[in-house]
Amino acid sequence: QSVLTQPPSASGTPGQRVTMSCSGSTSNIGINYVYWYQKVPGTAPKLLIYRDQQRAPGAPDRFSGSKSGSSASLAISGLRSDDEADYYCAVWDDSLRGLVFGGGTKLTVL
Amino acid sequence: EVQLVQSGAEVKKPGESLKISCKGSGFRFTSYWVHWVRQMPGKGLEWMGRIDPGDSFTQYSPSFQGHVTISADKSTNTAYLQWSSLKASDSGIYFCARPLDLDALDIWGQGTTVTVSS
Repeated sequence: QSVLTQPPSASGTPGQRVTMSCSGSTSNIGINYVYWYQKVPGTAPKLLIYRDQQRAPGAPDRFSGSKSGSSASLAISGLRSDDEADYYCAVWDDSLRGLVFGGGTKLTVL
Repeated sequence: EVQLVQSGAEVKKPGESLKISCKGSGFRFTSYWVHWVRQMPGKGLEWMGRIDPGDSFTQYSPSFQGHVTISADKSTNTAYLQWSSLKASDSGIYFCARPLDLDALDIWGQGTTVTVSS
């Protein structure tokens, strides 16, 4: 059971905007930067967002991150079929003294 | 080109030892932490720990402390993850990664699949 809570699934149709959440606490999201990763089976994770809302080099501008209090969100606009993947949030946890990942959200493009 | 190249897939028996590697190139290896991340079959990403190759200072996730050892050889730009006695539950894909900024892991190895089975 991760200290970061993500919904297990999300879905949308091509062209739609979808958002997914990541809920943490005052020892992690509340005080440290949030990162978002895209994970496609058989490939290494890809960094999408760092420092809560900065797009990583090479990440499309359709991806955006936000944070409020102890929760963060990833939004994907103009949904495409190749966005179908697992998405993970991550953050440094000061209580655990380590990086923690959320359980991941599986995005299905209908 | 900045890259991390990991050693190949391993098939081991319970109780055996194992050391997998992650070789960096295209950047100053001692200037970046090297992190290790596990993905068990059908499960999510788990952070295992990280090492500063410059001085070999290491931090572990509480979930992995005592079960694995992270090390590095700065003379060969290589980080290692090792087990002294494998269990079936150690089966999974292990990734090494380098941060872009703080703990934002932007450079990843290709992953090493470890299978532990009798």
